Amino acid sequence: EIVLTQSPATLSLSPGERATLSCRASQSLSSYLAWYQQRPGQAPRLLIYDASNRAPGTPARFSGSGSGTDFTLTISSLEPEDFAVYYCQQRSDWPRLTFGGGTKVQI
Amino acid sequence: QVHLVESGGGVVQPGRSLRLSCTTSGFNFSAYSMHWVRQAPGKGLEWVSIIYYDGINKYYLDSVKGRFTISRDNSKNTLYLQMNSLRAEDTAMYYCARDISSRYPLWWFDSWGQGTLVTVSS
Repeated sequence: EIVLTQSPATLSLSPGERATLSCRASQSLSSYLAWYQQRPGQAPRLLIYDASNRAPGTPARFSGSGSGTDFTLTISSLEPEDFAVYYCQQRSDWPRLTFGGGTKVQI
Repeated sequence: QVHLVESGGGVVQPGRSLRLSCTTSGFNFSAYSMHWVRQAPGKGLEWVSIIYYDGINKYYLDSVKGRFTISRDNSKNTLYLQMNSLRAEDTAMYYCARDISSRYPLWWFDSWGQGTLVTVSS
């Protein structure tokens, strides 16, 4: 099973600041990584897939980068609605899909 | 627009069964592979199962193999998850999710329902 380790577990920032979230894989994923946002009480929402492709409706302030085992989600300038939990997910080893443990972005 | 609504959750004793449904609208259901993803209270996400658009290929999380069965009725635009021999560790919010790609899946989830809560407890 591919293990995804997200860091930090919690990120405390203010609106307008830049957020950098990390996802590290236990083996190479090529570019088969996605990022999801989950606000409290809501279902997850796809933000980025294939490491760097924004899903329809994802604001341009969200960007994904990386390949192999190290990936980054960057939020260039935090809006109030961006305070949420973010999960990475790999599909390199389908059907053994796995998610990371999440990073909470809080004020 | 794409709309997914799960139902069928509830409180059930260990060893019993439950069937979840996911009613969909706003897209050509028969063209998309569909997934179930779960989230234990206060925990992260865990993929559970996939059924391809044509209902033929199905895959499961190892810990639910032999206990859970995914199915679909393309005439009713509905996805199902039959859960047998339930265990305490199956307690979670269960989400149905659409694959991003029509026909063959890319294993990314671009639309989600709001979830249905399953609690396994005596």
